[in-house]
Amino acid sequence: LAKTTQPISMDSYEGQEVNITCSHNNIATNDYITWYQQFPSQGPRFIIQGYKTKVTNEVASLFIPADRKSSTLSLPRVSLSDTAVYYCLVGDMDSSYKLIFGSGTRLLVRP
Amino acid sequence: GAVVSQHPSRVICKSGTSVKIECRSLDFQATTMFWYRQFPKKSLMLMATSNEGSKATYEQGVEKDKFLINHASLTLSTLTVTSAHPEDSSFYICSATHGNQPQHFGDGTRLSIL
Repeated sequence: LAKTTQPISMDSYEGQEVNITCSHNNIATNDYITWYQQFPSQGPRFIIQGYKTKVTNEVASLFIPADRKSSTLSLPRVSLSDTAVYYCLVGDMDSSYKLIFGSGTRLLVRP
Repeated sequence: GAVVSQHPSRVICKSGTSVKIECRSLDFQATTMFWYRQFPKKSLMLMATSNEGSKATYEQGVEKDKFLINHASLTLSTLTVTSAHPEDSSFYICSATHGNQPQHFGDGTRLSIL
């Protein structure tokens, strides 16, 4: 399983765009990249998933360069409620998609 | 869609008792369910992978006789913490997936052993 590395913490202000980059140098051909958000005392919540290039949904965008050794989660115009821990994970969706969580990025959004 | 329900959300019990936690996929059939535990300010630690109708696969260092997992149907998996002790106090979270879909997580169970 590919190991991921993310910044431990990030600070931002309301209304700003936040980009969280994750390194996964050993990503395998069959691995997908998935990002989750977790609030205290809750289970992680699926944000976005991608394999290559760019993926966008109603809450975030995911940018993946051609070599796939990193990915960037982009949160447009964050609000206070986006304060949470964000996890980047890689896993093979064709083999029960076992996920190993890294330390995550603790995002603090200030007023 | 993709709702996973976990019950109970919180349990407090005496040392030595066994505690069962249920994980249900409400709107899809989960071929695979996972169980994690999480300590305060720490990341999730995978405990075991559970496939419907077969024995769970435990991660290294997780005692299978301590943490009994049953995945009897495509919508229900249970984790039983047997003879629980204070060091078993933690936040337990399940997730479920079907085919090549992303894992969807329950809201966790806060277990406190007195």
